[in-house]
Amino acid sequence: GDSVTQMEGPVTLSEEAFLTINCTYTATGYPSLFWYVQYPGEGLQLLLKATKADDKGSNKGFEATYRKETTSFHLEKGSVQVSDSAVYFCALTSGTYKYIFGTGTRLKVLA
Amino acid sequence: DAGVIQSPRHEVTEMGQEVTLRCKPISGHNSLFWYRQTMMRGLELLIYFNNNVPIDDSGMPEDRFSAKMPNASFSTLKIQPSEPRDSAVYFCASSLAWRDSTQYFGPGTRLTVL
Repeated sequence: GDSVTQMEGPVTLSEEAFLTINCTYTATGYPSLFWYVQYPGEGLQLLLKATKADDKGSNKGFEATYRKETTSFHLEKGSVQVSDSAVYFCALTSGTYKYIFGTGTRLKVLA
Repeated sequence: DAGVIQSPRHEVTEMGQEVTLRCKPISGHNSLFWYRQTMMRGLELLIYFNNNVPIDDSGMPEDRFSAKMPNASFSTLKIQPSEPRDSAVYFCASSLAWRDSTQYFGPGTRLTVL
């Protein structure tokens, strides 16, 4: 079945450092790919998404490119801030209602 | 829009008691999801409604769990009787359309069963 694999956390970075959180997937067909973010005490919220190969999703300085050849959707940000500290979830949906979420990667940014 | 509303935000109860969690989806959304989040199991889909009809309840852990959606603006998740292993954060999410659509999550209900 479909699956999403994310890098284990926690990831600890200093402010202004470069961030990469790896995400790879297995899916039949042509999935849509998402990154959700969960701040402490809150629900998940959409950060960005891409619906077809080579699409780049971007929001708030975060970017991720849908790479069909490597089945990846890595999240990147050039300069992280303390306020980016959160848990990040990679997810996919293959044209149905059901989302497949990764296990989440906790990011901690130190001032 | 107020977003997805859940109540209560926190619930502490004793084993054996009935627990009811409530959700108001975003107006106009026709899909509703209940999830459970724990450290051990991550985010699990419990049940999915489309146009108020339960479509997939395969994630409901056992008969102690039940969910209803009597109308487009309200849903409940009930646990009866509750057990300590039910302690988790329960999220409700809604979406506008069911295919490749963004899901909007509520703030969650943190349930503690003593």
